[in-house]
Amino acid sequence: EVQLLESGGDLVQPGGSLRLSCAASGFTFSNYVMNWVRQAPGRGLECVSSISTTGETTYYAESVKGRFTISRDNSENTVYLQMNSLRAEDTALYYCAYSYSNTWQFDCWGRGTLVTVSS
Amino acid sequence: EIVLTQSPATLSLSPGERATLSCRASQSISTHLAWYQQKPGQAPRLLMYEASHRPGGIPARFSGSGSGTDFTLTISSLEPEDFAVYYCQKRLDWPITFGQGTRLEIK
Repeated sequence: EVQLLESGGDLVQPGGSLRLSCAASGFTFSNYVMNWVRQAPGRGLECVSSISTTGETTYYAESVKGRFTISRDNSENTVYLQMNSLRAEDTALYYCAYSYSNTWQFDCWGRGTLVTVSS
Repeated sequence: EIVLTQSPATLSLSPGERATLSCRASQSISTHLAWYQQKPGQAPRLLMYEASHRPGGIPARFSGSGSGTDFTLTISSLEPEDFAVYYCQKRLDWPITFGQGTRLEIK
């Protein structure tokens, strides 16, 4: 069974840092592009970052560019999102997601991990 | 960046009725559009890809159409479990963008 399990969400002060993890199982992780999608409370969806199968190519939304870093460890079947200089507007549920066909759609989602940025 | 605009923001219908949800792109995206359904407390679920293709397990009452800049998601006869929020998404390339969502509520 395919599973994505996010962790690392927490309450953090503005300007602080956090690292999210997404542990994957049930599929050949190293063959798939991985993505982080977030949803602020009561709001819509925003794809914040994606990473290629080898990790060589990364993508970032303008809203997080220069502050967030995506990475992956194919030996551990895990993708990470390092979040620095956090702002109140980064408060959201962060989902890990991927596409069965390695296209820019999201067939499979985790349950999300909540990041709250507040003093 | 290509912007997706969904309409209406809220749609109030009764079970058994037909629902028509729209998504308009600010530039042509051919048929590179996906639709998602999200229920409270759940992650989104992929309903449609490449504008009109249903993934396995999605009921046939859901259909998608459109190309270029105008797209439609149709639910032929609403079931109680269909009342949710629906998002469209550009799946052509980065940046990946979503519409703001249409809330389908029970009338």
